Amino acid sequence: GAVVSQHPSWVICKSGTSVKIECRSLDFQATTMFWYRQFPKQSLMLMATSNEGSKATYEQGVEKDKFLINHASLTLSTLTVTSAHPEDSSFYICSARTAANTEAFFGQGTRLTVV
Amino acid sequence: GQNIDQPTEMTATEGAIVQINCTYQTSGFNGLFWYQQHAGEAPTFLSYNVLDGLEEKGRFSSFLSRSKGYSYLLLKELQMKDSASYLCASEAFSGGYNKLIFGAGTRLAVHP
Repeated sequence: GAVVSQHPSWVICKSGTSVKIECRSLDFQATTMFWYRQFPKQSLMLMATSNEGSKATYEQGVEKDKFLINHASLTLSTLTVTSAHPEDSSFYICSARTAANTEAFFGQGTRLTVV
Repeated sequence: GQNIDQPTEMTATEGAIVQINCTYQTSGFNGLFWYQQHAGEAPTFLSYNVLDGLEEKGRFSSFLSRSKGYSYLLLKELQMKDSASYLCASEAFSGGYNKLIFGAGTRLAVHP
């Protein structure tokens, strides 16, 4: 299957700083990428949908100014957590699919810990 | 609206068969996915149903009834490595996109 690479796999940052997470589709062009957040023992919660070259669509309750998403090319989307706080500590996962694929391919996930 | 229900936890014996049920109420429903997720890892794809009926893939089978808003994942010949969370996800067309909405997941524990 197709490969989606997410980087970094884990990061620890100080409260108030910003963290950027990258999501790359390695062997296919992803017109749409999705960003999820998962708290321990909970399900994946969709945060936003990003399309190459356009603004991301955020789900209700997700602050667009705090979680900046950029989908600069057909193979790269980034999520920046700005002014991170301990409550932002979570597992962030991206997924990508093309119009031709029924399957959504997931990145490895990024575990963010804000101290 | 979107709502997906599945049992929180299940236990089963190695070598046995287990069925994990999922009910959904999804606007703009396009299909039903099942994913496996081990702790601390990203989900991995198991199956996708868009039409009613049973899809079989090795030890895993998935069933869908669109009229009932119901699906199940059937795992046969259980192995210890099958201990994981199993996520039911409905695909819905919303806001111009096909999105995956996940259930809370069913934690399956396989014991000897």
